[in-house]
Amino acid sequence: GAVVSQHPSWVICKSGTSVKIECRSLDFQATTMFWYRQFPKQSLMLMATSNEGSKATYEQGVEKDKFLINHASLTLSTLTVTSAHPEDSSFYICSADGTRTYEQYFGPGTRLTVT
Amino acid sequence: GIQVEQSPPDLILQEGANSTLRCNFSDSVNNLQWFHQNPWGQLINLFYIPSGTKQNGRLSATTVATERYSLLYISSSQTTDSGVYFCAVGGSGGSNYKLTFGKGTLLTVNP
Repeated sequence: GAVVSQHPSWVICKSGTSVKIECRSLDFQATTMFWYRQFPKQSLMLMATSNEGSKATYEQGVEKDKFLINHASLTLSTLTVTSAHPEDSSFYICSADGTRTYEQYFGPGTRLTVT
Repeated sequence: GIQVEQSPPDLILQEGANSTLRCNFSDSVNNLQWFHQNPWGQLINLFYIPSGTKQNGRLSATTVATERYSLLYISSSQTTDSGVYFCAVGGSGGSNYKLTFGKGTLLTVNP
């Protein structure tokens, strides 16, 4: 139980284009979903928290106009990287919290390369 | 915000050896999780353990919330245990659902 999927697993895009990443909770309803970013050989940094039907809460220093988050249903959240630049290249990971505890379950991640 | 320190940063073992990984945190927590990140980047949930002791096969974990630390024990290590182990905590109050990650322990188990 508590499986989270992400799509795509990896994506290469050209500078200036936008990329959408989907995060789905497959066997539970996610009260809250989270988006993290991880650079090579570094830890995970929380980017934003989203609740179904409401605006996402962004961490300090994260540009909300660049990283658009939509939490359309209790099983789907999307992250859109707008006008991507090479410095946006990173590993993006989502997680979901839908159980009775605060335990989070993580997706397999999406590796974004901007050329 | 809450600070999370993991030690050691790197650990090299021979297959069959035992190890202890430590996680110190700076404030009271309502959530503490241990993860193993595999070579493909997937975070595997090992334990949800804001307090107490749990065991799962060769792995066990203990969190002493009053002293603000948690330990992850790996016994009879195998090469497949290699990877990065993260401790992540969620603080008390309104931020208890947000996880702060430590920098991780890179474990290498040699055959």
